[in-house]
Amino acid sequence: GQQLNQSPQSMFIQEGEDVSMNCTSSSIFNTWLWYKQDPGEGPVLLIALYKAGELTSNGRLTAQFGITRKDSFLNISASIPSDVGIYFCAGRITGGGNKLTFGTGTQLKVEL
Amino acid sequence: DAGVTQSPTHLIKTRGQQVTLRCSPKSGHDTVSWYQQALGQGPQFIFQYYEEEERQRGNFPDRFSGHQFPNYSSELNVNALLLGDSALYLCASSLRDTYSPLHFGNGTRLTVT
Repeated sequence: GQQLNQSPQSMFIQEGEDVSMNCTSSSIFNTWLWYKQDPGEGPVLLIALYKAGELTSNGRLTAQFGITRKDSFLNISASIPSDVGIYFCAGRITGGGNKLTFGTGTQLKVEL
Repeated sequence: DAGVTQSPTHLIKTRGQQVTLRCSPKSGHDTVSWYQQALGQGPQFIFQYYEEEERQRGNFPDRFSGHQFPNYSSELNVNALLLGDSALYLCASSLRDTYSPLHFGNGTRLTVT
């Protein structure tokens, strides 16, 4: 099945550093969502974006809906140990109903 | 407010067997979607149910079937299990609105031997 291209695949950063990751698609999306998944758990919704160019924050997290509607970005400021996990982007294709297409994931590891 | 609940949490089956997984949606949600997540991959859409009917289907064979009950809970059935069906099966609930965010359960880990 189709998956979005997400980069980087993994990151190993120091506590307190800022983190950036992105997601690209060959298709136009009308919604972008960012999820975090911890081991043994399901994905948890972090941020939802609905308009091209939209910039939305949730605490230390900020995400943007790319103006081409084919990409999205997630930034985490001042990372802390509990930020460890796998981050997935997901999107809805226009006319595709509520079906989500997921990215390949970015694994974040934080060094104390 | 209970979130999405799935049962069982883990399951081991043999090739050729059949399995049924269960899901109760988040309170207030009427739409249930099922996703398969292979190890190291993002979730892949299987199908979506609302008003007790399958509304959308991903690229999965007919061995994968489902059901939604009047109380909005749902079952995923997989027949003639293959080794490649080993994965985490995630249930997500939402409102029927196309823009409603999906809320996921913690999944059922299926191992086929």
